[in-house]
Amino acid sequence: DAKTTQPTSMDCAEGRAANLPCNHSTISGNEYVYWYRQIHSQGPQYIIHGLKNNETNEMASLIITEDRKSSTLILPHATLRDTAVYYCIVRVGSTGGGADGLTFGKGTHLIIQP
Amino acid sequence: DVKVTQSSRYLVKRTGEKVFLECVQDMDHENMFWYRQDPGLGLRLIYFSYDVKMKEKGDIPEGYSVSREKKERFSLILESASTNQTSMYLCASSLGGKNIQYFGAGTRLSVL
Repeated sequence: DAKTTQPTSMDCAEGRAANLPCNHSTISGNEYVYWYRQIHSQGPQYIIHGLKNNETNEMASLIITEDRKSSTLILPHATLRDTAVYYCIVRVGSTGGGADGLTFGKGTHLIIQP
Repeated sequence: DVKVTQSSRYLVKRTGEKVFLECVQDMDHENMFWYRQDPGLGLRLIYFSYDVKMKEKGDIPEGYSVSREKKERFSLILESASTNQTSMYLCASSLGGKNIQYFGAGTRLSVL
């Protein structure tokens, strides 16, 4: 899996958009960008993933640069419940029918301020 | 929504006890995983299973075993609990061949 780099922590005001960056300059052509988050004392939660096009779902939007070396996760209207550690990981989209464990880096601790 | 349920949120056990952690998923996923998470060490894979009765060792299987008798249920067994197995244990599941994993809420195990 390609290595990713994320800021250690970020603050965002409640109601504003939270933009979380991730660098993955060694990403391969068949690797996707995945985002998970982990709220304190809970299990990780899948948010979104993408290959090269921008993606949006009910939780967030994912913007991937044209060269695919970086991406940004956008939470459009952050709430206090979005305070969590956010993990960006890069891996292939399919495991060929098998299974593969996840490895999280240190992630970004996003703190939503009231 | 995918639901992965772990039987206990908190457990306290004594050294040497046999401990069972249970995990059930309701989405007919082929793959199931057991991780432990410790401060500064991140998520570490203990065992995973890609089918009923099938299991594969992860990165840190020592001191653990697993059982998958039914597709929806994956159990982690600590044969003789030790204090260094005090940790947060996380169960996850995924559809066969897909790399999106869905996690349970976690079990915080303390071994005294």
